[in-house]
Amino acid sequence: DAGITQSPRHKVTETGTPVTLRCHQTENHRYMYWYRQDPGHGLRLIHYSYGVKDTDKGEVSDGYSVSRSKTEDFLLTLESATSSQTSVYFCAIRPESLGGNTIYFGEGSWLTVV
Amino acid sequence: QKEVEQDPGPLSVPEGAIVSLNCTYSNSAFQYFMWYRQYSRKGPELLMYTYSSGNKEDGRFTAQVDKSSKYISLFIRDSQPSDSATYLCAMSPGGITGANNLFFGTGTRLTVIP
Repeated sequence: DAGITQSPRHKVTETGTPVTLRCHQTENHRYMYWYRQDPGHGLRLIHYSYGVKDTDKGEVSDGYSVSRSKTEDFLLTLESATSSQTSVYFCAIRPESLGGNTIYFGEGSWLTVV
Repeated sequence: QKEVEQDPGPLSVPEGAIVSLNCTYSNSAFQYFMWYRQYSRKGPELLMYTYSSGNKEDGRFTAQVDKSSKYISLFIRDSQPSDSATYLCAMSPGGITGANNLFFGTGTRLTVIP
């Protein structure tokens, strides 16, 4: 258990509406990540954070924004949801104390945009 | 060409068989290599982590890295039905930039038949 809670776990939303996914961690890790997982593409990085108010873009950041106002929470917002953003979203943390580049994932948020 | 290539399978083996899962990559800068196991509708969980070349063993699992061939493998001995899952390889360059830039294979789906 990586101490990560994602919410909501499942959501159906309409095209054009904003959606926010929340990732909550309990162990004060500095690094947090949002990935999406799609068939044929695997896991792709959307955005990541290296501290409160410190974020950077990943490979597939278009149409997404993030915020981190507290160490424990990392929010992913789809500003105007499109059908191409139907996916499974995973939050992850990287424990610096363990060294290396290993990351640990949450249980996922299934998003359907209709 | 993708940075990481992984045969999607599916792969079906009888219980007790030795399973070999493989990934190839093109970026010679990759230094960290990981294997994740993902059960259906769950988040990926870290199985094995190796740095640079060589072998690493953990119980029934052995990870091998051959940097000269740009090829990594995961072997599962005495496979069990509970090993039925999708296995993802992941890798990254060294350094701080690498830590925030993992490249994932698309996963190999394994079924172990009792």
